[in-house]
Amino acid sequence: GIQVEQSPPDLILQEGANSTLRCNFSDSVNNLQWFHQNPWGQLINLFYIPSGTKQNGRLSATTVATERYSLLYISSSQTTDSGVYFCAVMINFGNEKLTFGTGTRLTIIP
Amino acid sequence: DAGVTQSPTHLIKTRGQQVTLRCSPKSGHDTVSWYQQALGQGPQFIFQYYEEEERQRGNFPDRFSGHQFPNYSSELNVNALLLGDSALYLCASSLLGGGTQETQYFGPGTRLLVL
Repeated sequence: GIQVEQSPPDLILQEGANSTLRCNFSDSVNNLQWFHQNPWGQLINLFYIPSGTKQNGRLSATTVATERYSLLYISSSQTTDSGVYFCAVMINFGNEKLTFGTGTRLTIIP
Repeated sequence: DAGVTQSPTHLIKTRGQQVTLRCSPKSGHDTVSWYQQALGQGPQFIFQYYEEEERQRGNFPDRFSGHQFPNYSSELNVNALLLGDSALYLCASSLLGGGTQETQYFGPGTRLLVL
C-alpha cells in the first residue's frame, strides 16, 4: 500500500517562530488533507489540497503532486498551534480511504 | 449546522466483552468511515459505509463490524474485546454523491479502554 512519511517527527519552537512540516507519499494521490489533532484528540481540518497552494491566515500549504510531497507552513506560531499535525492521502477513486502519515508533534513554548 | 458527533466520549470495558460506538455524520453527508487510533500513532482505516452497505474495509478482523442506518448515522461494533483494542475510535463523514470524495470531517472520537 501507499506509504506516507512526515518530517520532522518532533518540533519544538518559541512562540512567534515559523515552521515547515513536510509530507512525502509513495504513489499518486487524488486527495490530500492536512489535519491538526489537538490535545483532546479532535482532528481539525486544515486544508484539502491534492495539488497547488492554499492559504488560511497564518497557515498555508503547497502540494507538488508530480514530486509526491506536500508542505505545511505555520507562521508566527502561537501556543494554541501545539499538537500533532497529520497529512492523509487517498490514492484513487474506488479506494476512498484516507491513509495517514506518521505525524509531526509540534510544541510551541511561550 | 451540526458537525460529526460521536457517543459515548469514553468507555471502559473488560476483555471478552462487546462494545457499540455511535456516529452521526455532518448534515448533508452520506458516507461514514471509521478509524482506530492507537496511542502515539496515526489513525488506521477500519471500514466505510455508504447506502447502508460496507463499501470498503481495512485490515481489521471480523470482530469489527458496523452498520449504517437510513438517516446515514452509523454504529461500530467490536466483539470479544482484546487489550489491544484500547484506542481512540474516530468517525469521519463525507459526501460521496457523484462518485468522488473530497474532504472528510472527523468527530471528537470515543476513547475505549479495555481492561
